[in-house]
Amino acid sequence: GQQLNQSPQSMFIQEGEDVSMNCTSSSIFNTWLWYKQDPGEGPVLLIALYKAGELTSNGRLTAQFGITRKDSFLNISASIPSDVGIYFCAGQEGSGGSNYKLTFGKGTLLTVNP
Amino acid sequence: EAQVTQNPRYLITVTGKKLTVTCSQNMNHEYMSWYRQDPGLGLRQIYYSMNVEVTDKGDVPEGYKVSRKEKRNFPLILESPSPNQTSLYFCASSLSWVQETQYFGPGTRLLVL
Repeated sequence: GQQLNQSPQSMFIQEGEDVSMNCTSSSIFNTWLWYKQDPGEGPVLLIALYKAGELTSNGRLTAQFGITRKDSFLNISASIPSDVGIYFCAGQEGSGGSNYKLTFGKGTLLTVNP
Repeated sequence: EAQVTQNPRYLITVTGKKLTVTCSQNMNHEYMSWYRQDPGLGLRQIYYSMNVEVTDKGDVPEGYKVSRKEKRNFPLILESPSPNQTSLYFCASSLSWVQETQYFGPGTRLLVL
């Protein structure tokens, strides 16, 4: 199946620092999604992106849909301890085609030191 | 309360013994899907369903079956489980394939001996 390369695999930062993570794909996606997973819980959708070049914010989170449709990044500003968790990107071809499956990256483990 | 429920939450079984994990949503969502999560591999989609009687393969469908006879339910069936299907399974639903208002269930931890 398709592969998404998500980096970094893990990050250890100080409270208050900004964080950036990204995903790249060899295929074009028409939707990019970013999730957060807390320990013992299911993932929670943070931001959904539907157009190339789109920049969307959700509080301290900002995500962008790359112009080439093959990448996306997520920024977290002024990190706080509750930002700790695993962040996943996901891509979907969709949009009029026949392929509506979701492909996920392997995740970025974020640790925030108070 | 909007939610996705899965049962059972934990299951230990033996190789070859058929099992079903149920998934139900109360939001009238069209798109439902199943994922497995394994250490170092992230989430991988097993099957998805665009609507009643419409199902399609995800990235890792081998060894699994699904059905979508009603909009609210999307059971995952393992006809002959094997140890490599030991994993954490999540069901999810969203309003449509556009993935708006997507919700994940709490997960089912399966151990196949």
